[in-house]
Amino acid sequence: DAGVTQSPTHLIKTRGQHVTLRCSPISGHKSVSWYQQVLGQGPQFIFQYYEKEERGRGNFPDRFSARQFPNYSSELNVNALLLGDSALYLCASSSYPDLSSYNEQFFGPGTRLTVL
Amino acid sequence: GQQVMQIPQYQHVQEGEDFTTYCNSSTTLSNIQWYKQRPGGHPVFLIQLVKSGEVKKQKRLTFQFGEAKKNSSLHITATQTTDVGTYFCAGIRYNFNKFYFGSGTKLNVKP
Repeated sequence: DAGVTQSPTHLIKTRGQHVTLRCSPISGHKSVSWYQQVLGQGPQFIFQYYEKEERGRGNFPDRFSARQFPNYSSELNVNALLLGDSALYLCASSSYPDLSSYNEQFFGPGTRLTVL
Repeated sequence: GQQVMQIPQYQHVQEGEDFTTYCNSSTTLSNIQWYKQRPGGHPVFLIQLVKSGEVKKQKRLTFQFGEAKKNSSLHITATQTTDVGTYFCAGIRYNFNKFYFGSGTKLNVKP
């Protein structure tokens, strides 16, 4: 079975632009979480979705939004890009509804976003 | 502010030496997870600790959760070059559906 997949692998944008990142969870997993990992730091939690509903949100501005589709894939959208948004964006999937009930989550390879 | 602190930031050891990384939270955690991230890779789940004072072992790796559920440690016995990577802890606070990752400890093992 395929693991968590993310697209695109790499992306270069300029300040002020908009970006959409995509994630497909492991088959059978209904929960998707998004993280931002700046070089040299730990992942920062952005969102968690379970069965199309937002279940958790980190401390990110409203420029960041996400949604989950009926097939449980997910999109992360970032508007009005800033230089500081340059990072590796990771998606993780799990079969559990809440983070506190997670036994394990599986990360995808990430999308490397560079904002110039 | 930073919810979960992790030390040390870097650790260089000779192959065969032991290694420990520590994770401390300012608040009580409902559970804590540990991940390993190889250079250029993505985090890979290692283990989850839930109970106060819990100790779990995976071969040469020993994980502990403090009695107050505010701190945790990962100890590797007799490191090998395959242990190279960054180790992260990630905690969840009660009633907060958010993961708080530590800043990670980067382990380098010299053969």
